[in-house]
Amino acid sequence: ETGVTQSPTHLIKTRGQQVTLRCSSQSGHNTVSWYQQALGQGPQFIFQYYREEENGRGNFPPRFSGLQFPNYSSELNVNALELDDSALYLCASSRDRHTGELFFGEGSRLTVL
Amino acid sequence: GESVGLHLPTLSVQEGDNSIINCAYSNSASDYFIWYKQESGKGPQFIIDIRSNMDKRQGQRVTVLLNKTVKHLSLQIAATQPGDSAVYFCAEGGKLIFGQGTELSVKP
Repeated sequence: ETGVTQSPTHLIKTRGQQVTLRCSSQSGHNTVSWYQQALGQGPQFIFQYYREEENGRGNFPPRFSGLQFPNYSSELNVNALELDDSALYLCASSRDRHTGELFFGEGSRLTVL
Repeated sequence: GESVGLHLPTLSVQEGDNSIINCAYSNSASDYFIWYKQESGKGPQFIIDIRSNMDKRQGQRVTVLLNKTVKHLSLQIAATQPGDSAVYFCAEGGKLIFGQGTELSVKP
C-alpha cells in the first residue's frame, strides 16, 4: 500500500467526451505527478503539480489539464477524448518535486470507444 | 524522443540466480536515475536511485551500477525470487522519463 488512491479504477467513455480522474496523495506529500501508460509501454509523463502549481509538462496536448488542491489531492481532466487516449492513467505523489522516489497509485483504466 | 532504454524486453532466470537488467541513456548531462518495479495490475514501485556523483549504490538484495563513460546503468538482483517477477523500468530525472521496461520471469 502506497497511500495513494485513484478513482475511478475503470471507466469507459466515447470519442469526444470528457473525463476527470482523481487522486489523493500520501499524507505529507506536496507533489503529484500524472502518467499515461499504454499497454506494454513504460509510463509517459503528463505533468507534475507542486503546491498547487504546474511544475513541468510532458509532450501532451492542452486538452490534458490538471489541478492540485490545497490538500494536495489532484485531478486530471481530458477533453475531446480520442481512441488513442485509452490507457492506464497513473498518479504518483512525492515528498518534494526533486526526488525520484514516487509513490504510485494503482491507476485508472480508461477505455475510449 | 526516449532518452532511456532497456537492452532486453524479457529476461528469464532460475530462482536463486542473480539477475542483471541493463539500461542505456543518451543524455550525458543526465545526473539522476531511478529503478522501478511494476507487478501486474499495480502501479510502479520504487526500488533504488543513484546520482551521477556515485558509481554504485546498494540496497536490500539490489545493486545499481552507473557507468557515465558509456552512459549505461544496471540493476543487479541477488538470489532472485519468484516475487521478483515483474516489469523493471529505468527512469531518468525527478519527473521520471521511463524507458520501455524489461519483463523478468523467475523459474522455480
